[in-house]
Amino acid sequence: TAGITQAPTSQILAAGRSMTLRCTQDMRHNAMYWYRQDLGLGLRLIHYSNTAGTTGKGEVPDGYSVSRANTDDFPLTLASAVPSQTSVYFCASSAEGGLGGDTQYFGPGTRLTVL
Amino acid sequence: GENVEQHPSTLSVQEGDSAVIKCTYSDSASNYFPWYKQELGKRPQLIIDIRSNVGEKKDQRIAVTLNKTAKHFSLHITETQPEDSAVYFCAASNPPFGKGTTLSVSS
Repeated sequence: TAGITQAPTSQILAAGRSMTLRCTQDMRHNAMYWYRQDLGLGLRLIHYSNTAGTTGKGEVPDGYSVSRANTDDFPLTLASAVPSQTSVYFCASSAEGGLGGDTQYFGPGTRLTVL
Repeated sequence: GENVEQHPSTLSVQEGDSAVIKCTYSDSASNYFPWYKQELGKRPQLIIDIRSNVGEKKDQRIAVTLNKTAKHFSLHITETQPEDSAVYFCAASNPPFGKGTTLSVSS
C-alpha cells in the first residue's frame, strides 16, 4: 500500500507560471487537505475536501485552487505563481473530516521555489 | 472557527529530563486532540491522540492530558532521548494545528 503520495518532490518555478501539485491516496479516505509549511508559521491549511465532489477554503486560500473529482486525487493548482508561494506543501488525508476529527496521514511533501 | 495556541515555541532539555508542551483551543465542540511529530526533513506523523471522553492517555514515555473545562491539553514526554528532538504539533479536531514546538534534547 502506497498510502499517500505527492508529485513532484521539488520544483523551481518562474513567477507568473502556473503549476499543479499532485496528491493521491489509496486508503479510501473521505477527507483530504493541503497545507503549506513555512518556518515559524507551522502548518497552515490552504484548502480541504471532506468528501469527493466538495471543497472548502482554509486559512490561506488566495492564489490556490483545488478540485476533488474522485476519492483518491486532490490536486492543488497555482494559477500564476508569486515568490511568496515559495514553501513546502504537504497533502494529507483522514478517514473523516470535520469537528469529529481523525488521524491525518501526510504525504512526503513538495518543496516549491518561485523565482 | 477553531483556534489553537501552542506553547512554548522552543524547548531545550537535557537527556533524561521531562518535556511538557501545552495547547489551548477555542471551540468547545472539538472532541479529538492529536499530537504529531515532525523530524527534520520528514513529514508529520501522529504519535498520540485523545478523545474528549478520556482525561489522560499514555503510550510508553509519552502521555497526553485533556482538560475540557479549561479547553487545554498537554503532551508529556518523560526520560527524553536525543531521538525525541523534533517539531511537535497539536491540533483540535483536524485542522487547525498549533504553530509547533521545536524540542531539542541534548546528551
